[in-house]
Amino acid sequence: EAGVAQSPRYKIIEKRQSVAFWCNPISGHATLYWYQQILGQGPKLLIQFQNNGVVDDSQLPKDRFSAERLKGVDSTLKIQPAKLEDSAVYLCASSLHTWGGEETQYFGPGTRLLVL
Amino acid sequence: QKEVEQDPGPLSVPEGAIVSLNCTYSNSAFQYFMWYRQYSRKGPELLMYTYSSGNKEDGRFTAQVDKSSKYISLFIRDSQPSDSATYLCAMSGTGKLIFGQGTTLQVKP
Repeated sequence: EAGVAQSPRYKIIEKRQSVAFWCNPISGHATLYWYQQILGQGPKLLIQFQNNGVVDDSQLPKDRFSAERLKGVDSTLKIQPAKLEDSAVYLCASSLHTWGGEETQYFGPGTRLLVL
Repeated sequence: QKEVEQDPGPLSVPEGAIVSLNCTYSNSAFQYFMWYRQYSRKGPELLMYTYSSGNKEDGRFTAQVDKSSKYISLFIRDSQPSDSATYLCAMSGTGKLIFGQGTTLQVKP
């Protein structure tokens, strides 16, 4: 079974530029998550989709971050404009159903973003 | 105060040692407790999952949950160099997974 795919793996941009990350979840998984992991910290949930609807985006900085999940499969996360503090690893994860605590989340390898 | 506290380490042990990793939490609503392992430049992978209080064993790994003390532990017996990674505790009761900051473990041959 193929895992969660993410691209690009690495990205370096200057502050105020825009950047987009792509995620392809495990086939058949209804729920998709985007996490931000700053160096030395645990992942923090940015947004959760159930199929193509948003379940939780309470920690997404909506003035600069946006995400979509078209057709309930692939997802993109965009940052515009980027700030220095956005330097982090952006992890995508998926689970079979809506996560109520008992579902396993499967993580992709992440996209490492450096903002200069 | 963070909802989940985890000593970041780093922790360095010789091969074969018993390793103890711990997290404390403040939210009484947490019912699901997990340990994830994250190798360098990889995504986290689920290692152990426990619901409510008690112990769970899987090979060399044992997870313990003490809800009365709001304290969870992961024990690794006969540690191997391949166990060198960052270990993240995670928990939920509210539909959102909350992670600790991770403990970096190095097992030296």
